[in-house]
Amino acid sequence: EVHLVESGGGLVQPGGSLRLSCAASGFTFTSYNMNWVRQAPGKGLEWVSYISSSGRTIYYADSVKGRFTISRDNAKNSLYLQMNTLRAEDTAVYYCARDRNWNSLDNWGQGILVTVSS
Amino acid sequence: DIQMTQSPSSLSASARDRVTITCRASESINSYLNWYQQKPGKAPNLLIYAASSLQSGVPSRFSGSGSGTDFTLTISSLQPEDFATYYCQQSYSIPRTFGQGTRVEIK
Repeated sequence: EVHLVESGGGLVQPGGSLRLSCAASGFTFTSYNMNWVRQAPGKGLEWVSYISSSGRTIYYADSVKGRFTISRDNAKNSLYLQMNTLRAEDTAVYYCARDRNWNSLDNWGQGILVTVSS
Repeated sequence: DIQMTQSPSSLSASARDRVTITCRASESINSYLNWYQQKPGKAPNLLIYAASSLQSGVPSRFSGSGSGTDFTLTISSLQPEDFATYYCQQSYSIPRTFGQGTRVEIK
């Protein structure tokens, strides 16, 4: 069974940094592209970032470009999101999600809350 | 960026009703259109990919159609567990934008 578990969230002050992790199990992690998607409280879904299975291809939403860095460690079956210069508008539940057929997101983690506030 | 517009934003329906949600893309996305269901406090769940392909394990009362810019999600006979928010998402180009969501409520 596919399992994705996020960790590393919490409360951080504006301008601060946080690193999210996503531990993957139940599938061959090295064969799949991965994504981060977020959801602000009471709002809709926002795609944040994508990384290919090899890590060589990376994309970001304009709202996080230059501040967030996606990475992966295939030896550890883990996906990461380094978030710097955090803003109040980055407050959201962050999900890691597996890329599948036609770039759909077929498996999601349970989500981790990031709160940016002073 | 490709904009995704869902309608309606919310709807009220009864169990066993037929429900249709539409999604329009601001430019052609071929068939790179996915539908997700999200219940409160839970992660989204993939229902339909490639506009009309049913994800494994999803009940057959869910179906999708369309191509190009106009797409539809249909629930043939609404069940109590289907009351949730539904999102479309284009996966044709970066950024992979979502619609604003359609909340399906109990009448």
